Amino acid sequence: LAKTTQPVSMDSYEGQEVNITCSHNNIATNDYITWYQQFPSQGPRFIIQGYKTKVTNEVASLFIPADRKSSTLSLPRVSLSDTAVYYCYNNNDMRFGAGTRLTVKP
Amino acid sequence: EAGVAQSPRYKIIEKRQSVAFWCNPISGHATLYWYQQILGQGPKLLIQFQNNGVVDDSQLPKDRFSAERLKGVDSTLKIQPAKLEDSAVYLCASSLAHVNEKLFFGSGTQLSVL
Repeated sequence: LAKTTQPVSMDSYEGQEVNITCSHNNIATNDYITWYQQFPSQGPRFIIQGYKTKVTNEVASLFIPADRKSSTLSLPRVSLSDTAVYYCYNNNDMRFGAGTRLTVKP
Repeated sequence: EAGVAQSPRYKIIEKRQSVAFWCNPISGHATLYWYQQILGQGPKLLIQFQNNGVVDDSQLPKDRFSAERLKGVDSTLKIQPAKLEDSAVYLCASSLAHVNEKLFFGSGTQLSVL
């Protein structure tokens, strides 16, 4: 099974860019990488998905290097409302990482 | 569009009792998932359905947990008998297809086993 590893927690300040990296052990050739956001008392919510290189949408960017052994979620100019737990997710085996608790301070 | 509906929102039971959770996925979504999320951990997949067939139930404790998805729409997850370690949030999710589709989650059922 593919295993993901990500930092337990991160702190940031409003307006800063935040980068959260996930390592993907034994990722398979056809696996996509997805990131989810979770607020307390809610289910995870989709943020972004990619296979390789760079993907950008209205809320985040996702960088995946050529070897695909890691991925980096980039949140530009975070606000207090971005305080949440962020999970990298392996689409092939449907398993979540342990999550990174991001705290954005004023 | 309507989201994934789950009920009840909260449930408190004593150990050895039984409990059932219900999920109604987004209309048209063929794939349905049940996840267990213990406090402070990421969600753990219990079972995945494709229409009304089971795709993956390798992490479902089958001696006490059961799930069904009748007619390929709604699903129920049952625990009988419950143990203290079953205290968790039970999340239901659905997706259009099986592979590389984003998941849409419900708000979950928070179970406390006393």
